[in-house]
Amino acid sequence: DVKVTQSSRYLVKRTGEKVFLECVQDMDHENMFWYRQDPGLGLRLIYFSYDVKMKEKGDIPEGYSVSREKKERFSLILESASTNQTSMYLCASSLGGSSNQPQHFGDGTRLSIL
Amino acid sequence: GQQLNQSPQSMFIQEGEDVSMNCTSSSIFNTWLWYKQDPGEGPVLLIALYKAGELTSNGRLTAQFGITRKDSFLNISASIPSDVGIYFCAGHDTGTASKLTFGTGTRLQVTL
Repeated sequence: DVKVTQSSRYLVKRTGEKVFLECVQDMDHENMFWYRQDPGLGLRLIYFSYDVKMKEKGDIPEGYSVSREKKERFSLILESASTNQTSMYLCASSLGGSSNQPQHFGDGTRLSIL
Repeated sequence: GQQLNQSPQSMFIQEGEDVSMNCTSSSIFNTWLWYKQDPGEGPVLLIALYKAGELTSNGRLTAQFGITRKDSFLNISASIPSDVGIYFCAGHDTGTASKLTFGTGTRLQVTL
């Protein structure tokens, strides 16, 4: 079974802090994704990566950056956290090589910015 | 980004009833996926569909890839309390390699 592990289930940070959300997958997947999920807005793609050191902007990249130094790890960075970044953050991964592989999700990190 | 039209938004049913939900898109999709999300958890893949007309089952769940490639439905037979959650459809359209478009979700409540 695919295992996508997010480092924290719950996180509370203060406005202005630099926040790191970590995601690790154990299935050698090429593709990794970061989403945020908010009531009434569904899942929105922040950033994704097709390969190590490669990143592409999703639909809502503003205020975020990412890092993919190793194939199994994809980090989401909030450079200066703001209260409107309070949300559920979901990491996902999928096989590369074909565009039709399903994504597998972690359990999510519920982030609160005070 | 684009979202799929998923209906109904929510359902309240009695244990033992069958459930049906569907998703439609304005564009052609290469893949349809159905996920379930429990409260406070991440979405879990239930069924993946890869071909127009394909009908696939996973236990009490059955999903179909519409012939037009613009829709899909999910049926749950003989619902039980643990079926409670939010069900999402998702798909790969022809122009967004590896990126998924998600439905808005169907919230299912099961009463005893």
